[in-house]
Amino acid sequence: SAVISQKPSRDICQRGTSLTIQCQVDSQVTMMFWYRQQPGQSLTLIATANQGSEATYESGFVIDKFPISRPNLTFSTLTVSNMSPEDSSIYLCSAGQGGTDTQYFGPGTRLTVL
Amino acid sequence: GNSVTQMEGPVTLSEEAFLTINCTYTATGYPSLFWYVQYPGEGLQLLLKATKADDKGSNKGFEATYRKETTSFHLEKGSVQVSDSAVYFCALRNQGGKLIFGQGTELSVKP
Repeated sequence: SAVISQKPSRDICQRGTSLTIQCQVDSQVTMMFWYRQQPGQSLTLIATANQGSEATYESGFVIDKFPISRPNLTFSTLTVSNMSPEDSSIYLCSAGQGGTDTQYFGPGTRLTVL
Repeated sequence: GNSVTQMEGPVTLSEEAFLTINCTYTATGYPSLFWYVQYPGEGLQLLLKATKADDKGSNKGFEATYRKETTSFHLEKGSVQVSDSAVYFCALRNQGGKLIFGQGTELSVKP
């Protein structure tokens, strides 16, 4: 199994600013993902974080708004840029090994944009 | 496209009651199906899974059977406890390997 931690656990930010969320996995994993969970809604995949290359974004999400880094097999960051109140959500990091079905999730970062 | 639909919450039950949370899906092919649980203040944890038709996943007294004919994966538990209070998510893994989640069902168990 993998234990995933995220920082910060929550934040309140002003409109127009940016926030970087960190995700740390306690073991090397093949796959890392970022999800968004808007209030009262399901989880939506933002992107797959690729180690050493650009992330793969899902429809409706772009690199300029959600730049992602993954410098190694255990760490990734997601930045929410130029924030607006519509970005208020829980952002979750997830990780898994290629070829297996199991995906592990971090505790999430609760973001409120004023 | 692929989608997952869960029964709406919140669901409130008394301790030792029988639990069913309905989940149906739409998908091409035969996806793997999952139930995840999110306890208050924690991340999602895999509760159980099934990878092919008629498979039954089980864990911690919870069960779900992959029903291809009804495209369903309903979660059941015979006797819930207060500690089962959480949000439960049904999900499928599509052909591209991505998890697609239902909207989640909040369960509250009262003593």
